[in-house]
Amino acid sequence: DGGITQSPKYLFRKEGQNVTLSCEQNLNHDAMYWYRQDPGQGLRLIYYSQIVNDFQKGDIAEGYSVSREKKESFPLTVTSAQKNPTAFYLCASTERGSSYNEQFFGPGTRLTVL
Amino acid sequence: RKEVEQDPGPFNVPEGATVAFNCTYSNSASQSFFWYRQDCRKEPKLLMSVYSSGNEDGRFTAQLNRASQYISLLIRDSKLSDSATYLCAVRGSTLGRLYFGRGTQLTVWP
Repeated sequence: DGGITQSPKYLFRKEGQNVTLSCEQNLNHDAMYWYRQDPGQGLRLIYYSQIVNDFQKGDIAEGYSVSREKKESFPLTVTSAQKNPTAFYLCASTERGSSYNEQFFGPGTRLTVL
Repeated sequence: RKEVEQDPGPFNVPEGATVAFNCTYSNSASQSFFWYRQDCRKEPKLLMSVYSSGNEDGRFTAQLNRASQYISLLIRDSKLSDSATYLCAVRGSTLGRLYFGRGTQLTVWP
C-alpha cells in the first residue's frame, strides 16, 4: 500500500537535546511538507520541499532543520534552539502539476519535551 | 492578516441536524480549495475539494464564493460519526503550499 510513514509515533526529549523525526513516502511525490499542530490550533508550516536537494522555510522554521537527499525521505530535526517544541508534528506530500492535487498526511509524531 | 480564517466553534448539534461552516481567505488569486477532516489525535484526511461550480458528495456540499472570498461546507442529516474537526485549506498557486485554517470542531450528540 502506498502512503506516508512517520516514526516514532511518540517521542520524549530532554531540554537541550536535538531530535530527528522521520518521514518516508512511497507515493513518488515530488513535494513534501512538515507541519506543527498545537492543541486547538490549525497546521503551521515549518519547511517544505518541492524537489530533491531543495527546500524552503515555512512560517515557523526557527529552531528546525531539514534535508531532502532522497525523493522519498524528508527528515525534520528539532534543535535545542526551538524554545517550545512540544507539539504534534505532521509530514505531508503531494504530487506536483495540478493545483487540485491532494496533500496526503502521515500519522504524525507527538513530541514531548520533559 | 491571516491567509485563512475559520470559526473554531465548537459546534454542538443533535443527530439529523444541518450544520454549515465557513472559511474566508485573503488572497484573491488563490487557485484551489479543500476541506479536510481531522479526528482526535489523528492526521487530517481530505474530505472534499471545492470547485467553482460547487460540489456535493452524499450529505456533504462544498461551495466557493470567489467574489466574497469564502468557502463553505454544509453537512446535512448529521451523524454521530461526523464529530471531528474540519479544516479548510487554500492553495495560492499551482505549485504552491497549502494554507490551513485553525479548524472548526463539530460534536454531534444523540
